[in-house]
Amino acid sequence: AQSVTQLDSQVPVFEEAPVELRCNYSSSVSVYLFWYVQYPNQGLQLLLKYLSGSTLVKGINGFEAEFNKSQTSFHLRKPSVHISDTAEYFCAVKHGSGNTGKLIFGQGTTLQVKP
Amino acid sequence: DVKVTQSSRYLVKRTGEKVFLECVQDMDHENMFWYRQDPGLGLRLIYFSYDVKMKEKGDIPEGYSVSREKKERFSLILESASTNQTSMYLCASTTGTSLFFGPGTRLTVL
Repeated sequence: AQSVTQLDSQVPVFEEAPVELRCNYSSSVSVYLFWYVQYPNQGLQLLLKYLSGSTLVKGINGFEAEFNKSQTSFHLRKPSVHISDTAEYFCAVKHGSGNTGKLIFGQGTTLQVKP
Repeated sequence: DVKVTQSSRYLVKRTGEKVFLECVQDMDHENMFWYRQDPGLGLRLIYFSYDVKMKEKGDIPEGYSVSREKKERFSLILESASTNQTSMYLCASTTGTSLFFGPGTRLTVL
């Protein structure tokens, strides 16, 4: 079965510092990869997604992620974080193509940005 | 703008009660999902539906059932609520690769 592992449950970082949130997935023939963000007391919203093509994917709010097939990773990065980036971040993977198929989520990483 | 709404943000129920969580989407999406979110466990899929009156079990369906009588509405039912069902419940819908989530319902079972 497909699985997703987020290697850090919490990541504390100072404002304006760079950050990387790590995500590894179990290998499959074809996968789609996602990062979602959940701000306090809100639902999840899509940050970015990799479907095909360029392995470097840019998302909203200055975030980007790199798909690395050989290492089965999809790490999320931001060069300079803001207090407002404090949230929980979820990596997710979806098998195959088409409209069906379910998203499998990682355990989540809490990003704590300190002033 | 895409919109997924859930009937309640906060709900408190007693053990043994039958609980209904409602989800409505206005995007004409075929696929709808119910997840539960628990600290340290991420989101786990309870049930999903690809079409009206169709449903499939997710990873943790025990103790839950669902109903989809209309395309826009997907209900999650706790037949007899138990304390271990205290959790955040998230509904989502999609017609493609990306899920759109509702704000969530935080359910407490006493």
